[in-house]
This record gives sequence, structure tokens and C-alpha cells, in this order.
Amino acid sequence: SQTIHQWPATLVQPVGSPLSLECTVEGTSNPNLYWYRQAAGRGLQLLFYSVGIGQISSEVPQNLSASRPQDRQFILSSKKLLLSDSGFYLCAWSVRYEQYFGPGTRLTVT
Amino acid sequence: QKEVEQDPGPLSVPEGAIVSLNCTYSNSAFQYFMWYRQYSRKGPELLMYTYSSGNKEDGRFTAQVDKSSKYISLFIRDSQPSDSATYLCAMSVINTGTASKLTFGTGTRLQVTL
Repeated sequence: SQTIHQWPATLVQPVGSPLSLECTVEGTSNPNLYWYRQAAGRGLQLLFYSVGIGQISSEVPQNLSASRPQDRQFILSSKKLLLSDSGFYLCAWSVRYEQYFGPGTRLTVT
Repeated sequence: QKEVEQDPGPLSVPEGAIVSLNCTYSNSAFQYFMWYRQYSRKGPELLMYTYSSGNKEDGRFTAQVDKSSKYISLFIRDSQPSDSATYLCAMSVINTGTASKLTFGTGTRLQVTL
């Protein structure tokens, strides 16, 4: 069966510091991968998606970037965090249309 | 106008009640429909998905799609306190060769009381 991991689970970072969030998927090959952000009381905002190694599509211009160095690894990064980057970050994978989400990383920028 | 509208609730029902959760949408190109359940501070969990009009049943859950009215519903029978969560609808156009991009409702918060 397929599983998706995200780490860390919780992160508190100061403004201006760098960020690296990691997501890995097990039990499937060549998945589509997604990064979402969910702000408190708001819906899911798609940030990036990837259909293959090195292929990244950005949905919203922002302070973040994404990379896919391996087939089942997806990384979300920032060089300098802003207060507005705080939120719940979710990674998801799909093969067809339905997406399966990871447990999420709660990021607080102070 | 948002592409997908969903009442945020909260919706409070007694244990054992039948719950009806609904979404309306404006984009007639949406062909694939999903319902997710999200517990507090957890990732969304896929409950059901369907691409055809009509009903799809899975245990206590029934997903209903009415494409002519652009309206989808999730019914929960014999609701339990463990059903207390936020329920998100999501939908997608059908395409080939690219990643599926889902459009989500903002979620309805459900509370099932003893």
C-alpha cells in the first residue's frame, strides 16, 4: 500500500531564516506530487505541483520554491521566511484524479 | 463568484442523525468529484470519489452528484461523535497527460454531539 511522509511535523522559525520541508511517497512509481498551504480557517491553496523529476509548476508567485530531486521526493524551500508564510503545509500525491494527503507540517514564523 | 461554494457551518447534530453536506459549483467542465474528511491538525483523508451522476455508497457514507444542477452532496447515516471533523468537497476537470488540479470548497465543520 502507498504511504506518504512529511517532516518535520511542527516547525517554529524566525523571520528571515531559510526553510526546507520534505515529503516522500512509498509504494507507487511516478506519482504526481503537490504542495498546498492551508491558512487557519481558510481553504487549501495549491502552491506547486510536479509530474516528474525536475519538473515543477508554480501556481502562485511567492516567497517559496519547490524541487523534485527523486521520483518520490518533493521538497518545499524558502531562502528567507516571511510572517505570512505561517500555515499548515500539506504534500499530496496522485496517479489519477484523486489526491492523497500527508500528515502536514505546521509552520509558525515568529 | 467562487467556482465551488460550500457552507462553512458549523453544523451540529445529535448522535445517530443523518447528516447532509453539500457543495455547488459553477464550472460545467468539472467531471470528477471527491469528498475529504479532515480532523483538527491532520491532513485531509479521501472518503469517496466519483465521476458519474447519481449515488455512490460506501458503508455509512453516500455521495450524490447532480451534474444538471451542479450540486454534490455527502450523506452520513447513523452519525457518530468520531465523524466530528471538517468535510471538504473537491472537483476536477478530466484531462490526460498532466497532473490533476483539484478545486476545493472551503469545508464544512461538523460536530456530532452525544
